[in-house]
Amino acid sequence: AQSVTQLGSHVSVSEGALVLLRCNYSSSVPPYLFWYVQYPNQGLQLLLKYTTGATLVKGINGFEAEFKKSETSFHLTKPSAHMSDAAEYFCAVSVDANAGGTSYGKLTFGQGTILTVHP
Amino acid sequence: EAGVAQSPRYKIIEKRQSVAFWCNPISGHATLYWYQQILGQGPKLLIQFQNNGVVDDSQLPKDRFSAERLKGVDSTLKIQPAKLEDSAVYLCASSLIVGEAFFGQGTRLTVV
Repeated sequence: AQSVTQLGSHVSVSEGALVLLRCNYSSSVPPYLFWYVQYPNQGLQLLLKYTTGATLVKGINGFEAEFKKSETSFHLTKPSAHMSDAAEYFCAVSVDANAGGTSYGKLTFGQGTILTVHP
Repeated sequence: EAGVAQSPRYKIIEKRQSVAFWCNPISGHATLYWYQQILGQGPKLLIQFQNNGVVDDSQLPKDRFSAERLKGVDSTLKIQPAKLEDSAVYLCASSLIVGEAFFGQGTRLTVV
């Protein structure tokens, strides 16, 4: 079984400030971890992913996330917020049931964090 | 590359009526997902297909919801009869690589 917990349903920052969105996961096997972003009235868009290898992963729009196995965390950060970053962000977990990235485990999402950026 | 297409974008029905949603995934994507997103919540997986087969439908209310994937490509999700609590956005997504899902814009269903 797998699950995702996002700490904080709403985060508010000033433009130019650090963005930190928290995500903790639970998985019985090594997880694949993702952050997705959703703008109003749109579908979700992949920001970044961790599968194996380097634990610090970089994504689009200046976002990055670090996989910490000991803390079962995958927090999303951005050094300097822009107004255009205002959206809802979802952390998600999946597993590769077979080796090689060809077997699709269930993709499970957290509850989401709404990011507000103030001028 | 064309994205995931969904129709309709909006639908309003009365309770106890039936409704169907259509999804055309990205060409070549073997995995197709249907999610239900209730306002203020994260997407909840209803059903996941791998080609024609069902990988997971553990959260699909099978007494009223059904889904099929035709020839491993297009998919339809049906609700019959609808309840008020089915009001939500229904998202279709497809993927080629584990977890890297491409989402359509969704269908907003309102049951009155």
